[in-house]
Amino acid sequence: NAGVTQTPKFQVLKTGQSMTLQCAQDMNHEYMSWYRQDPGMGLRLIHYSVGAGITDQGEVPNGYNVSRSTTEDFPLRLLSAAPSQTSVYFCASSNQHGVAYEQYFGPGTRLTVT
Amino acid sequence: GENVEQHPSTLSVQEGDSAVIKCTYSDSASNYFPWYKQELGKGPQLIIDIRSNVGEKKDQRIAVTLNKTAKHFSLHITETQPEDSAVYFCAAPERGSTLGRLYFGRGTQLTVWP
Repeated sequence: NAGVTQTPKFQVLKTGQSMTLQCAQDMNHEYMSWYRQDPGMGLRLIHYSVGAGITDQGEVPNGYNVSRSTTEDFPLRLLSAAPSQTSVYFCASSNQHGVAYEQYFGPGTRLTVT
Repeated sequence: GENVEQHPSTLSVQEGDSAVIKCTYSDSASNYFPWYKQELGKGPQLIIDIRSNVGEKKDQRIAVTLNKTAKHFSLHITETQPEDSAVYFCAAPERGSTLGRLYFGRGTQLTVWP
């Protein structure tokens, strides 16, 4: 098992550019989510998905879009990058069944918007 | 949603000493409290969790205690070692969530000096 993988590891964008952060998991987890991590702010939920075809907003969804066409993949799209989106982004997945709450995190993508 | 507060934000201890990190939560219905460890350049990883039907749980040098009346829970690390140096996050689930949506504290940077 590769677990949760994220690409790219690093990215620099200019204001107004768009890009997609990729996330994939091979554990057949139903639940996937995207967090951003900023200094002193902890992990804040951007969007999440409880299964293929179902997504919902988290705490800080503005400026980001997601879709979930398969169980394995959960890409995060920045439509028009802004300096405020400079952050480290983590994708996570967990098993929906039963009461297993453990979230498995990917290694992160460090994004800089200039 | 749930409000999770974590203290202290930074903690420095001498190798061999104990470290304690405390979190409070707002939703009395919360029933699951995990702790995550994030090493430099990596994603967070679950190290221990506790459910509301117990007051304490131990795993070797780490333990978590829960006080549901006061709505706080703590992480205790004994006999600290340099490899314990990391950022630690507490979390609590969204009310009624069985799908793993978590609210995280802002994190504690633990430094263990040899």
